[in-house]
Amino acid sequence: DSGVTQTPKHLITATGQRVTLRCSPRSGDLSVYWYQQSLDQGLQFLIQYYNGEERAKGNILERFSAQQFPDLHSELNLSSLELGDSALYFCASSEWASGGRGEQYFGPGTRLTVT
Amino acid sequence: GQQLNQSPQSMFIQEGEDVSMNCTSSSIFNTWLWYKQDPGEGPVLLIALYKAGELTSNGRLTAQFGITRKDSFLNISASIPSDVGIYFCAGQSPGTNKLIFGTGTLLAVQP
Repeated sequence: DSGVTQTPKHLITATGQRVTLRCSPRSGDLSVYWYQQSLDQGLQFLIQYYNGEERAKGNILERFSAQQFPDLHSELNLSSLELGDSALYFCASSEWASGGRGEQYFGPGTRLTVT
Repeated sequence: GQQLNQSPQSMFIQEGEDVSMNCTSSSIFNTWLWYKQDPGEGPVLLIALYKAGELTSNGRLTAQFGITRKDSFLNISASIPSDVGIYFCAGQSPGTNKLIFGTGTLLAVQP
């Protein structure tokens, strides 16, 4: 158990809908990362938050957004969903924003299926 | 999206055999991480490497940070059935904590 929790485990929704994925980092970690894993693209970095502020952005679509709350949990919002958004979404956490030791610990993921 | 070159793509071995896999990049990394992922689960951190040339072990696993900072290797000795899974390398560029992942190596171990 990495200490990172994600809910829900599975999500099935229709095209055009909006969903919210939730992540709680390991105790003491201030940085949260979101990754998308699909068969054709592998594991791709989406976005990073550190202590409530956006720190880095990757290949995140404009239809997707995220935030980190004062209690350090994070939510990833996916809107106007398309079939191609079906994937596993992982949250990871680390102690630092950059530099230092770079270990990231991953949650169990949310499997999103868009029908 | 960006992915690192990881080889081999898959390996089918007998229990007790040793395994080697490697990861290469066109960019320099400050940190190399190796993860194992079981189907439907999140990646689990196996080994972290922070200096060029560094050799680090975790039980039967040994990983090395390449001298050029553009590659890394993972060795598993005396494989057992529970080693089955997908192994990913991940590189972390200077100045950022985002991870660039390899394409993965699927390991199957026959008892």
